[in-house]
Amino acid sequence: QKEVEQNSGPLSVPEGAIASLNCTYSDRVSQSFFWYRQYSGKSPELIMSIYSNGDKEDGRFTAQLNKASQYVSLLIRDSQPSDSATYLCAALDTGRRALTFGSGTRLQVQP
Amino acid sequence: DTEVTQTPKHLVMGMTNKKSLKCEQHMGHRAMYWYKQKAKKPPELMFVYSYEKLSINESVPSRFSPECPNSSLLNLHLHALQPEDSALYLCASSQGASQETQYFGPGTRLLVL
Repeated sequence: QKEVEQNSGPLSVPEGAIASLNCTYSDRVSQSFFWYRQYSGKSPELIMSIYSNGDKEDGRFTAQLNKASQYVSLLIRDSQPSDSATYLCAALDTGRRALTFGSGTRLQVQP
Repeated sequence: DTEVTQTPKHLVMGMTNKKSLKCEQHMGHRAMYWYKQKAKKPPELMFVYSYEKLSINESVPSRFSPECPNSSLLNLHLHALQPEDSALYLCASSQGASQETQYFGPGTRLLVL
């Protein structure tokens, strides 16, 4: 069983809409979670980190963590075509000090 | 400043060549990482250095040899690679603290002929 799971998509939303990206994780991984954005051919870029239950907002991005249900989500408000990318959810295995990535969700924002 | 630099950006090598990838960070981070990413797949961890010591080797073949000369530099020495080793090689660093936000460099795109 994979430790971090994401729907591969593509998730298609119209410009200006809210994009909702979801990720589930297993018990083995740590309680630190990260969302990275990766454009085609580029390296992952950190969008958000979240460590505690609840919401964390940064500009148009909101990360949500629910430890009881073992899921992490990322909301992107007022989606722009420039947000079109693959979004990688990652969990930190504290013991190994290593990130475990989900397979990524491809987001397409339609103009 | 959250910059991690990697050189070269692109590398083409034959199966008998020896080459090295270089990674550098000046953020005072004490942990550095090598990841390998194939097309349409997530990054896969290869090696972790913590305080200049190798702490994790994810059963990587010996044709990949990491080196951490100092806390700012990380090298990956390549020898006798196979075509299936063609990928994007990513370096990352983190403070070494408990919550470990990792910052990635731009990567080296490697093609093995």
